Amino acid sequence: GENVEQHPSTLSVQEGDSAVIKCTYSDSASNYFPWYKQELGKRPQLIIDIRSNVGEKKDQRIAVTLNKTAKHFSLHITETQPEDSAVYFCAATSGGGSNYKLTFGKGTLLTVNP
Amino acid sequence: GAVVSQHPSRVICKSGTSVKIECRSLDFQATTMFWYRQFPKKSLMLMATSNEGSKATYEQGVEKDKFLINHASLTLSTLTVTSAHPEDSSFYICSAKQGPYEQYFGPGTRLTVT
Repeated sequence: GENVEQHPSTLSVQEGDSAVIKCTYSDSASNYFPWYKQELGKRPQLIIDIRSNVGEKKDQRIAVTLNKTAKHFSLHITETQPEDSAVYFCAATSGGGSNYKLTFGKGTLLTVNP
Repeated sequence: GAVVSQHPSRVICKSGTSVKIECRSLDFQATTMFWYRQFPKKSLMLMATSNEGSKATYEQGVEKDKFLINHASLTLSTLTVTSAHPEDSSFYICSAKQGPYEQYFGPGTRLTVT
């Protein structure tokens, strides 16, 4: 099955700096890679995603890059703000049709210091 | 994004009793819903995939007789924890798939078994 590795497990940055979180996956058939932000005690929220036919996607201060050859993808947050502090999860699809599911990385606790 | 609700948000039950958790997609129809379990400071662990009108598909190691899943309509899936024990205490989160890829999460249910 799919295996998703995520690094780092914790990341502390100063407000205004950039943050980068990296993930690798094992299933070469994976074609969808979402990123979720989860605040303490809250639901995971989809913040950005990328499909395998695209190498990069940007939404304001957030961007995701995908390297299918190397099977890794990254989340980039620029101009970080204290409200960006949360746990971020990457995920990758496996299976298709009724067998479709997401496999999650172990998460990165991002702390943005004012 | 799409809205998914979950009820109840918190429940405390006695050991040996059963608890039902509801997951609803409020503004879209979801043929597929997912049930996850999340331990403190850990990632999301997929328990089962719930497809409308058919039997759920359980992940390896998840007891189907203990975690009963019913997906009777395109907007509702239920998870029943039967004969609950303290080790079943956890944060249970559902998600609903909209379109071919995107999953949107419910707010979660904190189950405490005493």
